[in-house]
Amino acid sequence: GAGVSQSPRYKVAKRGQDVALRCDPISGHVSLFWYQQALGQGPEFLTYFQNEAQLDKSGLPSDRFFAERPEGSVSTLKIQRTQQEDSAVYLCASSYESDNSPLHFGNGTRLTVT
Amino acid sequence: AQSVTQLDSQVPVFEEAPVELRCNYSSSVSVYLFWYVQYPNQGLQLLLKYLSGSTLVESINGFEAEFNKSQTSFHLRKPSVHISDTAEYFCAVSGGGYQKVTFGTGTKLQVIP
Repeated sequence: GAGVSQSPRYKVAKRGQDVALRCDPISGHVSLFWYQQALGQGPEFLTYFQNEAQLDKSGLPSDRFFAERPEGSVSTLKIQRTQQEDSAVYLCASSYESDNSPLHFGNGTRLTVT
Repeated sequence: AQSVTQLDSQVPVFEEAPVELRCNYSSSVSVYLFWYVQYPNQGLQLLLKYLSGSTLVESINGFEAEFNKSQTSFHLRKPSVHISDTAEYFCAVSGGGYQKVTFGTGTKLQVIP
């Protein structure tokens, strides 16, 4: 596709439910990032993949958060036993494998936990 | 560790007036600096970046930013804003072996007709 695609666009979950958020990066992009953006805040780094390898997961807030990219393309961010504090916009970004290349962001998934 | 500070959460400005959006950063390593823009109901997109070389960088729509190492700043400026510039602007810093980008909290630019 022409850009990074994220689905669903909106997700409402009851507290305690599990959710899965999908990211389709730009074809050929090696690097993939997940960010969390709370209301009124800037994006906060969650995790980074280079192809299928998860090289940095230091930003994941708890062990309820899990991300995968098994074939080095599509990635899924899973949140188990959702809590109200998980409510945020989850952003996916991809880029070429380079310090100089810009991040291409999707439109995000807005998660609301009730 | 690296961090970004955007002190102004909102900046209202009249159309055709100049604007400056402030950004200060801290980092223990050499940095790359970015401004990203988020238009209403759209995803974040790169506006401009400083990697090396000339400290003044420009975007295609008239914005410019100047890297000031001594003041650890990367302020964004435009001499004359347009209604279409209404958006949220995020300053960001990256450094290290891969581009783990750290973002500021954003500045909402509201252009008043």
